[in-house]
Amino acid sequence: LAKTTQPISMDSYEGQEVNITCSHNNIATNDYITWYQQFPSQGPRFIIQGYKTKVTNEVASLFIPADRKSSTLSLPRVSLSDTAVYYCLVGDYGNTPLVFGKGTRLSVIA
Amino acid sequence: DSGVTQTPKHLITATGQRVTLRCSPRSGDLSVYWYQQSLDQGLQFLIHYYNGEERAKGNILERFSAQQFPDLHSELNLSSLELGDSALYFCASSVGGPGTEAFFGQGTRLTVV
Repeated sequence: LAKTTQPISMDSYEGQEVNITCSHNNIATNDYITWYQQFPSQGPRFIIQGYKTKVTNEVASLFIPADRKSSTLSLPRVSLSDTAVYYCLVGDYGNTPLVFGKGTRLSVIA
Repeated sequence: DSGVTQTPKHLITATGQRVTLRCSPRSGDLSVYWYQQSLDQGLQFLIHYYNGEERAKGNILERFSAQQFPDLHSELNLSSLELGDSALYFCASSVGGPGTEAFFGQGTRLTVV
């Protein structure tokens, strides 16, 4: 299983862009990178997934460099409601379990 | 609403007892996953079923067992409960394997007293 490393916590002011970087040095060829968001006492929610380069959806962008040893989740213009824990996961579409690390606790300040 | 239903939402029971947590996956999803989340441990993967078959096991205690039924709903059985088993138990489902988008239920909060 590719091990991931993320900052434990981050603070940001409302309206700012937030970038959370995840390291996954031993990512395998078949692995995808997926980010989930979790609010207190709720189940995680899928945000975005990518394999290489850049992926964008209505809530976030995911930047993956050519070597794929890291990835950056970008949240544009965060609001108080973006305060949550963000998890980076790496795995393939086979039977590798979806393993969550400690995640990054993002606190958005007014 | 993720479409994944977990029952009950809350459960309080005494040490040594046995409980069953139930999960109904989203319509069409073949995979069911169980996770345990306690305050100091984060989200711990317990077990994964795909179309009725066990596909992967994580840090699941021998006192815990699970199964996925032909209608694809799943149950997690916890026995000989200890205080340390108090946690939020999440079920998730996905259409395919672990790489596909997983949808989580609201969880069952288990309190062992």
